Amino acid sequence: AQSVSQHNHHVILSEAASLELGCNYSYGGTVNLFWYVQYPGQHLQLLLKYFSGDPLVKGIKGFEAEFIKSKFSFNLRKPSVQWSDTAEYFCAVNDYKLSFGAGTTVTVRA
Amino acid sequence: DGGITQSPKYLFRKEGQNVTLSCEQNLNHDAMYWYRQDPGQGLRLIYYSQIVNDFQKGDIAEGYSVSREKKESFPLTVTSAQKNPTAFYLCASSIGDGQETQYFGPGTRLLVL
Repeated sequence: AQSVSQHNHHVILSEAASLELGCNYSYGGTVNLFWYVQYPGQHLQLLLKYFSGDPLVKGIKGFEAEFIKSKFSFNLRKPSVQWSDTAEYFCAVNDYKLSFGAGTTVTVRA
Repeated sequence: DGGITQSPKYLFRKEGQNVTLSCEQNLNHDAMYWYRQDPGQGLRLIYYSQIVNDFQKGDIAEGYSVSREKKESFPLTVTSAQKNPTAFYLCASSIGDGQETQYFGPGTRLLVL
């Protein structure tokens, strides 16, 4: 099974700052890639996903992620964060089963 | 309104007691999953089921049991053999057993008295 690494455990930002969260997985082959988000008190929900095609994918709430196959990476970005982006973010990789990273807690200060 | 429901929201277990967590979906999904979420460890797969009356162990199945008698339902029992059951338990479902998107329920937090 894949090992998924998220580079940051906790990120603290001010509103309007840019956000980038790193995600790397352990080996190649055909994989589907996901970013999930868990807002305080809410369900884990899908932010965006990559199955094939354009390696730059756009998700909800202005998030995007870039798949770089040669680096086994799927980094998440948002140009300008809002207070409401405070949440825990999980990267996940699916080859034959879904493997999750440890998560990154993002705190946005107003 | 389609989705996944889990109950209860909070559950307390006494030493030596088995407890069962409920998961129901009305999405007509074939596959269902149970995950355990611990701080700093992400989600770890406990059990999954791709079809009714069939299920497989995940990465941390010891101390847990499941059943899948109906397509809509996938209850998880935390047995007394699970020595560290305090965690947040998430149920998910997906269309099939492949690489499709998984959709998650609201979770059950299990605490030991």
